[in-house]
Amino acid sequence: GAGVSQSPSNKVTEKGKDVELRCDPISGHTALYWYRQSLGQGLEFLIYFQGNSAPDKSGLPSDRFSAERTGGSVSTLTIQRTQQEDSAVYLCASSSGTSGYNEQFFGPGTRLTVL
Amino acid sequence: QKEVEQNSGPLSVPEGAIASLNCTYSDRGSQSFFWYRQYSGKSPELIMFIYSNGDKEDGRFTAQLNKASQYVSLLIRDSQPSDSATYLCAVARVNTGKLIFGQGTTLQVKP
Repeated sequence: GAGVSQSPSNKVTEKGKDVELRCDPISGHTALYWYRQSLGQGLEFLIYFQGNSAPDKSGLPSDRFSAERTGGSVSTLTIQRTQQEDSAVYLCASSSGTSGYNEQFFGPGTRLTVL
Repeated sequence: QKEVEQNSGPLSVPEGAIASLNCTYSDRGSQSFFWYRQYSGKSPELIMFIYSNGDKEDGRFTAQLNKASQYVSLLIRDSQPSDSATYLCAVARVNTGKLIFGQGTTLQVKP
């Protein structure tokens, strides 16, 4: 079946602009995660959605970052007033959410460049 | 101390040899352990997961877990040049969302 999809694959924006990144999880997966990967940094957790539960936002680096998940499927990560340090690859992952053990499958990522 | 530690490498092995990748973690509450492979410019690909102490084999890959020592490893037998990539170790508590990743070990398999 289809894997996790993300759009756009690349985004170049100017400092101070807002950006929206989209993630479409694997069909039937109830859990969705956002991570980012910066040059020289590891994969950093941002936010986690599980079904209808309140999201775990503990990894969001500032209040400029927000995410929503509509209808339990597609998710949008929004970064307001982008800064150069926001430049990174933003990765979305999904899991079935049923085993409790959390095998996550990643999408291809969105490479964000803030000029 | 980082939550998940890996030697960044590069680890260089000849084709056909066994590659051994190691990972230590600090949270004793961790209960699920994952190895991801990441090719340059690509996203991480799940290759192994292990939840119980001991060994788990899948083809050329063997994951080993020792919770007492807080240590997890990945062995790749008969290494191929196509195995050249960065290998990321990740850990999580059961029923929590986030994976905690190590920095990754770069593996180079030389023909």
